Amino acid sequence: GEDVEQSLFLSVREGDSSVINCTYTDSSSTYLYWYKQEPGAGLQLLTYIFSNMDMKQDQRLTVLLNKKDKHLSLRIADTQTGDSAIYFCAERTGGYNKLIFGAGTRLAVHP
Amino acid sequence: DTAVSQTPKYLVTQMGNDKSIKCEQNLGHDTMYWYKQDSKKFLKIMFSYNNKELIINETVPNRFSPKSPDKAHLNLHINSLELGDSAVYFCASVGPGYGYTFGSGTRLTVV
Repeated sequence: GEDVEQSLFLSVREGDSSVINCTYTDSSSTYLYWYKQEPGAGLQLLTYIFSNMDMKQDQRLTVLLNKKDKHLSLRIADTQTGDSAIYFCAERTGGYNKLIFGAGTRLAVHP
Repeated sequence: DTAVSQTPKYLVTQMGNDKSIKCEQNLGHDTMYWYKQDSKKFLKIMFSYNNKELIINETVPNRFSPKSPDKAHLNLHINSLELGDSAVYFCASVGPGYGYTFGSGTRLTVV
């Protein structure tokens, strides 16, 4: 089956690192994604990782993929108030490449 | 020059009405999608078209009918609107490689 799970809330202090975790079920997923959604806005692609990679770094963002455990994480270094948003994990799966989204993790950054 | 554009951005209508949402992409992608985001922010795929052919049709009421006149356009027509149809509807397209591109969303409110 296709299922993506995330914890729903995360609260961090400004300047700390944030780690958002995600698990997925479909081992044939080709790509895994992280999207950011700010209040009232659309979906912004933050980063993605191909399924044969373990890690990807892009400025303050680090994605780790443990394919054996079907676990994906997003680390945001030096978290800022502007990072407050909902973060969605998604897997690209199936013959027609549909995206299956997690429920989203609400990240709150406080001073 | 917006890659995936949806109209209208906001739509407020009464129960029982019929309405359409339009989506156009200028990326030359073959595959387009409709996703629904409910009030709890869950994102779920509804339909997908590949080069004008319906390839994904999830469990969606028959009142929802997608139409793709050409591969750059995917419209969503909803008959007999119900309160539970209130949501944000996102159009997306995907081409070669990793990239999904989402529109900015249509916020539908049924009163």
